[in-house]
Parts: sequence; C-alpha cells; structure tokens
Amino acid sequence: QSALTQPASVSGSPGQSITISCTGTSSDVGSYNLVSWYQQHPGKAPKLMIYEVSKRPSGLSNRFSGSKSGNTASLTISGLQAEDEADYSCCSYAGSSTFVFGSGTKVTVL
Amino acid sequence: QVQLVESGGGVVQPGRSLRLSCAASGFTFSSYGMHWVRQAPGKGLEWVAAIWYDGSNKDYTDSVKGRFTISRDNSKNTLYLQMNSLRAEDTAVYYCARDVAGTIATPDYWGQGTLVTVSS
Repeated sequence: QSALTQPASVSGSPGQSITISCTGTSSDVGSYNLVSWYQQHPGKAPKLMIYEVSKRPSGLSNRFSGSKSGNTASLTISGLQAEDEADYSCCSYAGSSTFVFGSGTKVTVL
Repeated sequence: QVQLVESGGGVVQPGRSLRLSCAASGFTFSSYGMHWVRQAPGKGLEWVAAIWYDGSNKDYTDSVKGRFTISRDNSKNTLYLQMNSLRAEDTAVYYCARDVAGTIATPDYWGQGTLVTVSS
C-alpha cells in the first residue's frame, strides 16, 4: 500500500493548461478504472473533481479532465484560473475494498 | 445537501484509545458506503478504512489493522472509528467521507475533519 507518485508541485500562468501525473502499479491504477482526483484548499476538506478516471461530478467545470494510460493517471486543468491554486491528490482503488492516495501536488498559478 | 460532521478528536497519550464519530445528514445514510481518511500535519491524504452500506464488509490500511475498528449505526445515521493503542504517527486530521456507491468505489463528499493528536 505505497502512496501513488505525484509531482510535488506544478505551476502555470492564468489561461494556460497544466497536467498532473499520478503513477501507481499494476495492482492499483493499472488494474481498476476507479481513479479519482481531489482539490484541497488550505484548511479545507477535499473536494471531488474527477471520478472513474475521467468523469466529472455534476456542476463541475469542464476545465478539469482526467485520463489514464497503463499505471499512470493524469489530471489536466485547462484555462488555469487563480482559484485553481490548491493541492490536488489522486486516489485509486487497490482491491478488496482498499484505496491508496497520491502524495499530493501543489498547483501554483503564477 | 450532504453534510458530514466529525467529532471526538482531541489530545490523547500514546497507547490510549479514542472514538471518532461522524454524523451524516442530507442523504439516505444506510444506502452508502463510508470511509475514514486522515491527513498528518503538512502531509498528503491517507486512506484509513471503509465500510459497506450495511456494515457487512470492512477493510483497513495495513498500519491500523488490529488497532482501529470502523463501524456504523444506520438507525442513528452515524459512522464511527474506534482507535486503540494509539501511536504518535496516528496524529492527523481525520475526515469521514461518503462513497458514491453502497459498496465501495470512490469517496465523494467529505466532512471538515477532526484533529487527533497523540502525545505524552
């Protein structure tokens, strides 16, 4: 149950697109289409942004999109805005009702 | 709207016990799986435990197996986490989260968390 690997930080200018990677193993990310992404502002609870690799919860901006290839999942934020500055964490089902989270990525809007 | 309110956190000595509660409202609690997820100060999220909608299936991360017990009372719309033999490394904000499914698939709505500090 090792944490999924994410870059510690990613930055971009307003309007640009950024992509955050999330690398796991064939036992988690590679085996299940149950990868989710969470946004967390300082001192706040996480908010679900993407589930089942690429699905957006109702009402969420389509600037957020997800994908997966092999053991690596990705979150792309397009048209970066100031309010997107936050920590982002991926999460994958790992079998037998267990889950593993990523190490977290701090997104900075320059 | 979905509301999850955690309680029961505090400062506790190593080796002691603590029980966290999570009061749910705004949805049919008995239809959804539930999770506990924690976040140590300045660290990432760590999944702790999950329980199916009817309590028939539970699982835990390796580091808490045998020490923590997740349970639920569907008549009280409340989720619990009994934490025994606490260690310094259990210090974290503990969040409860609802799953999108009755069984377990993805945590969606989260509470605001309750802080547990294990220290002598």
